[in-house]
Amino acid sequence: DIQMTQSPSSLSASVGDRITITCRASQSVSTYLNWYQQKPGKAPTLLIYGASVRQSGVPSRFRGSGSGTDFNLAISSLQPEDFATYYCQQSYSSLLTLGGGTKVEIK
Amino acid sequence: QVQLVESGGGVVQPGGSLRLSCAASGFAFSTYGMHWVRQAPGKGLEWVAVISYDGSNKYYADSVKGRFTISRDNSKNTLYLQMNSLRAEDTAVYYCAKDPTPWSPTPLWGGMDVWGQGTTVTVSS
Repeated sequence: DIQMTQSPSSLSASVGDRITITCRASQSVSTYLNWYQQKPGKAPTLLIYGASVRQSGVPSRFRGSGSGTDFNLAISSLQPEDFATYYCQQSYSSLLTLGGGTKVEIK
Repeated sequence: QVQLVESGGGVVQPGGSLRLSCAASGFAFSTYGMHWVRQAPGKGLEWVAVISYDGSNKYYADSVKGRFTISRDNSKNTLYLQMNSLRAEDTAVYYCAKDPTPWSPTPLWGGMDVWGQGTTVTVSS
């Protein structure tokens, strides 16, 4: 199975900050990499697919990048509603796998 | 609107069985692949299983292979997860999620673009 490793596992930031979350795959997944946001007690929502394509309705402050084994999710100018947990997920293999998550907390 | 509603969760003893359902509405259910994803209390997301639009392809996470069975009834717009030989570590919120493609065992773009609200399964004596 393809292992997905996210870093950091948590971070504290302030409204208006720019943050970057990293996701690394144990083998190349090309650009078959997706990002999700999950708020407490809620189902996840799809933010980015194909490594860099924003899902419809996702604000432009969310930016995905990378290919192969190394990927980033950047959020420019954090908003109060962005404090949540973020997961990466590969769809290269038929056995989908997700990263352990990155919790973004208010400083 | 596009909606997925899970049901069937509950408390079951170790070794027991449970069947989850996911009712779909607002989209052409029979043309999309569907997934189950779970989340243990306080933990991250774990993909469980996928089924193609016509039920011809099914794949499972190693942790549930041989114990769980994913299926669908396109005439009822409903996805199922039959869970047998349940263990304490199967305790989780179970989400169904829609794939934006019919799904096939090849690299696919799109992620899981619609999710249900989840149903809770507790395995405990």
